[in-house]
Amino acid sequence: SQKIEQNSEALNIQEGKTATLTCNYTNYSPAYLQWYRQDPGRGPVFLLLIRENEKEKRKERLKVTFDTTLKQSLFHITASQPADSATYLCALRGTSYGKLTFGQGTILTVHP
Amino acid sequence: SAVISQKPSRDICQRGTSLTIQCQVDSQVTMMFWYRQQPGQSLTLIATANQGSEATYESGFVIDKFPISRPNLTFSTLTVSNMSPEDSSIYLCSVEGALAGGDNEQFFGPGTRLTVL
Repeated sequence: SQKIEQNSEALNIQEGKTATLTCNYTNYSPAYLQWYRQDPGRGPVFLLLIRENEKEKRKERLKVTFDTTLKQSLFHITASQPADSATYLCALRGTSYGKLTFGQGTILTVHP
Repeated sequence: SAVISQKPSRDICQRGTSLTIQCQVDSQVTMMFWYRQQPGQSLTLIATANQGSEATYESGFVIDKFPISRPNLTFSTLTVSNMSPEDSSIYLCSVEGALAGGDNEQFFGPGTRLTVL
């Protein structure tokens, strides 16, 4: 069955360091992969999209990589700040079906 | 982008009752999506609501339990019927927005936090 796994439930880092979150998937041929941020009591907010034929995408302090051989995406936040503390969700849309499927999320806490 | 509002923002309900959640979008959209996010879990798609046709339900979700209305292109409702404590969850309304290149991002409402006693 199709499965999406984010590497850990929680990640704690010091301010200024780079946070790296992992999203692994099995039994998928995704057309693209998306990353979302969710704050407590709020709905997810779209951050970045990377297509199956792209290796890397950047936006300000964010960087996403996509390795379709390893079936893995890495999400990096450089020069992290306490304001980056949130839950980060990866989501896949397959080529054969348009439904967007979400991972369980990683709770990132950036300590001052 | 799309701005989505939901009502109510939260509610505490008794077992066996029903709750209707409203979703309003600030622009006309073809499809609206309803998700459930159980405590500590990710988002699970309940159904897709198209204006003028029956909603399409995902595996594990049925119309009798989660009836959906879509009277126009900016509004939808989701009813959680005959509730049990297992229905305690956050319910989120979502629409798609077009990105450059033809891909889509999803915009989400703030969610409705439901607690069933």
